[in-house]
Amino acid sequence: GAVVSQHPSRVICKSGTSVKIECRSLDFQATTMFWYRQFPKKSLMLMATSNEGSKATYEQGVEKDKFLINHASLTLSTLTVTSAHPEDSSFYICSAFLAGKETQYFGPGTRLLVL
Amino acid sequence: GNSVTQMEGPVTLSEEAFLTINCTYTATGYPSLFWYVQYPGEGLQLLLKATKADDKGSNKGFEATYRKETTSFHLEKGSVQVSDSAVYFCALFDNTNAGKSTFGDGTTLTVKP
Repeated sequence: GAVVSQHPSRVICKSGTSVKIECRSLDFQATTMFWYRQFPKKSLMLMATSNEGSKATYEQGVEKDKFLINHASLTLSTLTVTSAHPEDSSFYICSAFLAGKETQYFGPGTRLLVL
Repeated sequence: GNSVTQMEGPVTLSEEAFLTINCTYTATGYPSLFWYVQYPGEGLQLLLKATKADDKGSNKGFEATYRKETTSFHLEKGSVQVSDSAVYFCALFDNTNAGKSTFGDGTTLTVKP
């Protein structure tokens, strides 16, 4: 149980285009999902907290107009990187919070490469 | 604020050696504590957890005990395998902090045959 999927697993795009990443909790409902960014050989950097039915809460220094987050249902949150640039290339990981177990379950990550 | 400090890596061991990865934390409330493992190119997998003082989490031969008096949650395994090579993250969840988790910087473990 407690499986989280991400799609796509890998994406290559041209500079200036937008990329949407989906995060789904497959076998549980998650009122809260988190989006992280991970640089090579580094820890996770929390970008934003996504709550179903409300606006996401962004961490300091994260541009909300650049990284659009939508949490339209209890099993789906999306992160859209708008007007992507090479410096946005990174590994993006989502997690879904399972209340009751008070545990975050992570997706497999999406590797974004902007050319 | 909350923080997690992990033993710096990388750690390199021979197969069947004993493993300890130290983790200490500071928190204002009564957090739950976690160890996650990340294999190359993948997301994080929950390895084990403990929700209150003196609890021991265990999974796949790994163990960690929630020590409130020393604010520690050290990860141990009696006999490591090559397949245990990965990055290990210690984390805490404090439900007084909007449900956010705080992660350590990760410790890279390499096990050689």
